Amino acid sequence: DQQVKQNSPSLSVQEGRISILNCDYTNSMFDYFLWYKKYPAEGPTFLISISSIKDKNEDGRFTVFLNKSAKHLSLHIVPSQPGDSAVYFCAASAPGAGSYQLTFGKGTKLSVIP
Amino acid sequence: GAVVSQHPSWVICKSGTSVKIECRSLDFQATTMFWYRQFPKQSLMLMATSNEGSKATYEQGVEKDKFLINHASLTLSTLTVTSAHPEDSSFYICSARDRVGGTEAFFGQGTRLTVV
Repeated sequence: DQQVKQNSPSLSVQEGRISILNCDYTNSMFDYFLWYKKYPAEGPTFLISISSIKDKNEDGRFTVFLNKSAKHLSLHIVPSQPGDSAVYFCAASAPGAGSYQLTFGKGTKLSVIP
Repeated sequence: GAVVSQHPSWVICKSGTSVKIECRSLDFQATTMFWYRQFPKQSLMLMATSNEGSKATYEQGVEKDKFLINHASLTLSTLTVTSAHPEDSSFYICSARDRVGGTEAFFGQGTRLTVV
């Protein structure tokens, strides 16, 4: 049973346009969400995160929106650039006893077309 | 951001041999490190949580005798794949969280293991 779902395996966007990557979760205990960017044969790179007490967090071209009632979050990238082409993973964590485990979605491959 | 170094970045080994992968936090101390495995076109799957100075906690279905984890210091955790088989071929990634604070987990660059 996948607790974090990224239902779109791939997305193509024209350079300069907005990229919207979606993520749904089923575990209501999750209280912290993160987005990671990953290039082939490399480890994920942290992009942006959001706590469940917020509904929006913005960092430069990246904005994450959280809709707790729908158990849905999205990552907006605007304007999209060719260098944004990568696989984007949504991850979530629940409160724990000191550890910090992440549950990942399967990822969405973003292709930004020049 | 904090730096996590993973070594080697790729390794090819023969069936039956053992392979050690190192994960180091370069500019912070990490009481907890995590080991993930990724199969092609699949998500990162947590294998085990490595705690400095104590035994690792393994996820269900992960053989602890096969995937030996040692977290001997606040900056180093190692994963040893023992008696490797071709089905162990995968991409292994470690991550660490700064013990001082912060909620992000920083990842190593990953290790591509191919068992022939």
